[in-house]
Amino acid sequence: DAGVIQSPRHEVTEMGQEVTLRCKPISGHNSLFWYRQTMMRGLELLIYFNNNVPIDDSGMPEDRFSAKMPNASFSTLKIQPSEPRDSAVYFCASRPGQGIEKLFFGSGTQLSVL
Amino acid sequence: AQSVTQLDSQVPVFEEAPVELRCNYSSSVSVYLFWYVQYPNQGLQLLLKYLSGSTLVESINGFEAEFNKSQTSFHLRKPSVHISDTAEYFCAVRSTFTDKLIFGTGTRLQVFP
Repeated sequence: DAGVIQSPRHEVTEMGQEVTLRCKPISGHNSLFWYRQTMMRGLELLIYFNNNVPIDDSGMPEDRFSAKMPNASFSTLKIQPSEPRDSAVYFCASRPGQGIEKLFFGSGTQLSVL
Repeated sequence: AQSVTQLDSQVPVFEEAPVELRCNYSSSVSVYLFWYVQYPNQGLQLLLKYLSGSTLVESINGFEAEFNKSQTSFHLRKPSVHISDTAEYFCAVRSTFTDKLIFGTGTRLQVFP
């Protein structure tokens, strides 16, 4: 299995532009998580899905952030408009299902907003 | 709500020395506890977990952690570290009622020769 696949690995954009981060979870996994990692705040949970349904989005910073999971094999995290303070590493992780207590992380997307 | 505190942002240690990375949690309900490790430019990987049963849990590479309910701690230990253990270590907690996994701010373990 290729593991959790995130794209792009690096994204550099200008303030005000729309940014879309993509994630392909491991096939068969039922839960998907989006985390943001910064030096100041560490790893923050933004949102997670169970069976493609958003369960908790209380960590989404503001309305500029949105996440979707149209099917079991794909999720996006969109920032519109982007701001310099959004610069961070964004990780996607998936989990097989209830009772399997292990998250499988992707390699992350390094986002720089200039 | 749950929270995790990792008091040490960095821990420098010489090779073959013992190490302890501290983790304290806060929760009003029962919890599961985890340690994840992050090597440079990679995602996190599960190191070990406590779900129930024996309060001492071990990983395959010599790390161990002990769940202490009275002190609300889950410290990570290794009796003799290797250069290859240099990484960022994250403690994490989630209540037994949700899927929401909350991470601490991480501790960078730097092992010197």
